[in-house]
Parts: sequence; structure tokens; C-alpha cells
Amino acid sequence: DGGITQSPKYLFRKEGQNVTLSCEQNLNHDAMYWYRQDPGQGLRLIYYSQIVNDFQKGDIAEGYSVSREKKESFPLTVTSAQKNPTAFYLCASNGRDRGAPGELFFGEGSRLTVL
Amino acid sequence: AQSVTQLGSHVSVSEGALVLLRCNYSSSVPPYLFWYVQYPNQGLQLLLKYTTGATLVKGINGFEAEFKKSETSFHLTKPSAHMSDAAEYFCAVSSNRDDKIIFGKGTRLHILP
Repeated sequence: DGGITQSPKYLFRKEGQNVTLSCEQNLNHDAMYWYRQDPGQGLRLIYYSQIVNDFQKGDIAEGYSVSREKKESFPLTVTSAQKNPTAFYLCASNGRDRGAPGELFFGEGSRLTVL
Repeated sequence: AQSVTQLGSHVSVSEGALVLLRCNYSSSVPPYLFWYVQYPNQGLQLLLKYTTGATLVKGINGFEAEFKKSETSFHLTKPSAHMSDAAEYFCAVSSNRDDKIIFGKGTRLHILP
């Protein structure tokens, strides 16, 4: 089955700890994304990557880091510098459709709670 | 820079009534426009998209949207609401310049029996 797999689904961390969220896709898509979702705020773009070994900051990149060493994988690290990390994190991938941005395929999300 | 504004964070309609969810966008280049739906604790699912061509776009579950360049709008409609339509709906914009996709803040649709 093709799709996006995010893990873990739920994660708790203490203040001051870094945590890494996993995102894997087997759709052979070039572009991958990380969004943060908070109630009433919609989805805000953290980072995105159009190709392996390249990524761009989104609107709220401070306190986060990513890597794109393989086409299938786009892990997100929430660092201790992120002041309010408790949120629902969504990973997505995008295959271009006849030259235009195609449909975003989303994982089921990771809910991070900082204690 | 691109942006999306969704009017109304919550919309309530009676079962069987018309659904209208509003979306206005800002883009300096020809936009690509999307509507997604999200059910609780899940990822988002594409309802429909506009890239080029016909401005009235039909999607899944009986939804459709019309791209109006003069009004910079892409409102989502459904003639008759069903209880299963209760969810959160997101409008999104992109362009052919890059793969950056920006979402609105969402509208939660409530269906009244």
C-alpha cells in the first residue's frame, strides 16, 4: 500500500529535550512537507523539501530542523529552542501532476505534548 | 507572497441545506487552489483542486468550487448537506514557481439535524 507513515503517533517529552518525528513515504514523490496544526491556527508550514539534500524554511521554522538524505524520508527534529512545541504535526508529500502541484498526501499525524 | 483567508471559523447548516464555505486568496502569480477536508485526529484528504482550464471544479462527495479571478475567490459549495459532511475544511494555495503550499486557518462545518 502506498502512503505516508508518521511515527510515533503520540509523544511526550520533558522541557529541554530534543525529539525527532519520523516521516516515510513510498509514493516516489519528490516534495515533502512538515506542517504544524494548532486549534484555530490552521496548518502552518515548518519546512519543505523539493528534492533530496535540499530543503527550505517555511513560515515557522525557528526551533525546528530537518534533513532529507533519502527521497523516502523527511524527519523533523523539534529542538529545545522551540518555545511552544506542544502541537499536532503533519507530514505530507506531493507529486507534480502534469507540471502543476499535485495532491498532497498526508500522514496521520504525530501529537507531541511537552510536560 | 501567497496567502489564504477563510471567512468563518465555524459554519452551521441544517441537514439538506446548502453548504457554502468561503475562501479568498492572494497571489502575485497564477494560483493553484485546493480544498481539503480533515476528520478528527486524522490527516487531510483532497476534496478538489483548480490548476488551469474550467473554473468550476467538481470534487468528491458532491462538493464543487468555482475559481473567480476577479474576486480572488474559490468558495466551496454543496447543494445538500449530509451529517457525514461534519468536519474541518481547509483552503490552500500554491503556484508553479515552487512547491510551497499555504493553508488557510480552516472552517469547522457543523450539520444540524
